[in-house]
Amino acid sequence: AQSVTQLGSHVSVSEGALVLLRCNYSSSVPPYLFWYVQYPNQGLQLLLKYTTGATLVKGINGFEAEFKKSETSFHLTKPSAHMSDAAEYFCAVSEGNTGTASKLTFGTGTRLQVTL
Amino acid sequence: EAQVTQNPRYLITVTGKKLTVTCSQNMNHEYMSWYRQDPGLGLRQIYYSMNVEVTDKGDVPEGYKVSRKEKRNFPLILESPSPNQTSLYFCASSLSVGRAKQSTDTQYFGPGTRLTVL
Repeated sequence: AQSVTQLGSHVSVSEGALVLLRCNYSSSVPPYLFWYVQYPNQGLQLLLKYTTGATLVKGINGFEAEFKKSETSFHLTKPSAHMSDAAEYFCAVSEGNTGTASKLTFGTGTRLQVTL
Repeated sequence: EAQVTQNPRYLITVTGKKLTVTCSQNMNHEYMSWYRQDPGLGLRQIYYSMNVEVTDKGDVPEGYKVSRKEKRNFPLILESPSPNQTSLYFCASSLSVGRAKQSTDTQYFGPGTRLTVL
């Protein structure tokens, strides 16, 4: 069975500061990993995903994440936070090509607050 | 515009009164899914469908029904809603499924339906 742990339900950073949102996963097979963002009163939007290949993945809005197999982690970073980054962020894992196609297991989410 | 639509966006109802939340996608996606989002619990899958007439239970299916008679539509049915089904519901779809295929496809989410059961 797969699972996702997001450390910190709330993270607050100053505008211009580094954003680091933590995600650790558990999977019995090579995982596919995703970060989604949810702005207030909206659905989820894909930020980036890792499937195979390069372990550093770049997404939209200047975000990136690095897949570290040895640490079972997929932390999300952005060098300089902007007020518009305030949202809730969800890490998710799927089991790739094992037959449970497209089943995503989500973490509990991290709400990012950006202050002036 | 490629999108997933849900209706209604907001619904307040009473215990036991049957309701249906509709979901439609215009991307010819095979896979569709329903999630509920609750504070501190993230998103949990209710039901999913790999194609027309093929549906299966997710992690929290109790109290819900679904149907997939057409590829584009995947309604969520609550036959007898209860207060513990008060939640934010999301429909999602993605292109390809199947045991021979890799699930790398992005899931596209609808805008959500906020349901309150009194």
